[in-house]
Amino acid sequence: GQNIDQPTEMTATEGAIVQINCTYQTSGFNGLFWYQQHAGEAPTFLSYNVLDGLEEKGRFSSFLSRSKGYSYLLLKELQMKDSASYLCAVPLPSGGYQKVTFGTGTKLQVIP
Amino acid sequence: IAGITQAPTSQILAAGRRMTLRCTQDMRHNAMYWYRQDLGLGLRLIHYSNTAGTTGKGEVPDGYSVSRANTDDFPLTLASAVPSQTSVYFCASSDEQGEGNEQFFGPGTRLTVL
Repeated sequence: GQNIDQPTEMTATEGAIVQINCTYQTSGFNGLFWYQQHAGEAPTFLSYNVLDGLEEKGRFSSFLSRSKGYSYLLLKELQMKDSASYLCAVPLPSGGYQKVTFGTGTKLQVIP
Repeated sequence: IAGITQAPTSQILAAGRRMTLRCTQDMRHNAMYWYRQDLGLGLRLIHYSNTAGTTGKGEVPDGYSVSRANTDDFPLTLASAVPSQTSVYFCASSDEQGEGNEQFFGPGTRLTVL
């Protein structure tokens, strides 16, 4: 089965760096996604990791350690618009690449 | 149409009524999904479709049905709505091919069942 854990809420200061962690347990691993969801809006894709290591995309980076069942999303130079929920998701091992299970999300509040 | 759309935006429904939530995408994606999102529970998969003509059950399928008559449309039907189906419903689509397929989400339908 799938089990995904993320902190429920985090607060960080504008201009700072924040790391949002995600741990997962799965019987088969097919990669890990991060999505961003602003309040009242739809989730939007941020990143996908299938190999160990850090992948950087502008101010956002995502890290994966398959042996530890662990990922994090790193947000640098925080802006007020980064206040949102961040969802970690993993594909179901038996569902092909289409079916994914989402964590409950981490609500990030950026303060001045 | 640009991307993926849903209708209605919001709806208040009496318990026991039948309701169909509409979802249309113009990206020619083979795979489509319906999720519900509830506070503290996150996004949960209701039903999905890998391609036109096929559908499958997700994590919470009871009380819901779907059809996929063509590539673009993926309606979700509540045959007899109950208050526990009060939620925000998101439709999504993705390209079937390969791994790491990002899902594109519609704007959501906020449904209240009284």
